[in-house]
Amino acid sequence: RKEVEQDPGPFNVPEGATVAFNCTYSNSASQSFFWYRQDCRKEPKLLMSVYSSGNEDGRFTAQLNRASQYISLLIRDSKLSDSATYLCVVNRGNYGQNFVFGPGTRLSVLP
Amino acid sequence: NAGVTQTPKFRVLKTGQSMTLLCAQDMNHEYMYWYRQDPGMGLRLIHYSVGEGTTAKGEVPDGYNVSRLKKQNFLLGLESAAPSQTSVYFCASSRSSGGAAGELFFGEGSRLTVL
Repeated sequence: RKEVEQDPGPFNVPEGATVAFNCTYSNSASQSFFWYRQDCRKEPKLLMSVYSSGNEDGRFTAQLNRASQYISLLIRDSKLSDSATYLCVVNRGNYGQNFVFGPGTRLSVLP
Repeated sequence: NAGVTQTPKFRVLKTGQSMTLLCAQDMNHEYMYWYRQDPGMGLRLIHYSVGEGTTAKGEVPDGYNVSRLKKQNFLLGLESAAPSQTSVYFCASSRSSGGAAGELFFGEGSRLTVL
């Protein structure tokens, strides 16, 4: 079993739709959590960090449930430009070398 | 702002050849990493460095070596390339401040094909 698992996707949604991605992690010692975005044939870039209380950045909302070891990302009012692969990333500890990446979920927003 | 720069961007090798990927960052980050990305696998850590002159093995270190002689540079070497090393390689860097680890900054990637 992978340490970080995500919805396999791909997700194909129309513009304006709301879409939710799920991620689970197996290491209960994990300390910090992130969503990265990766465009086709490009490098990953940080989308947002995920805090225990949940956090929102414009159309994007991230939630963390430590008890269930579950992370989610909600995208409202999808835009064509949201088409990308979304990577769930977990950091096991305080030091950067403990980042673990999920396999990613691909999103295609259709006109 | 250059950020993290990787060279070369593309390379084709024959089995058994050697090569070095160069990563340079201009953000004065302490930590640097080399990842490989394969379809359906997610990014996997090959080697990392927590400072100049230090390196350590990640999840998939076999067949690779690294060096960090200068803080801004992190080199990844393949001594004898194998087809299983065909992949996209990403270099990344991050700050070393305490608390929750900060953002990873990635280079644009290096696509390596081993025939």
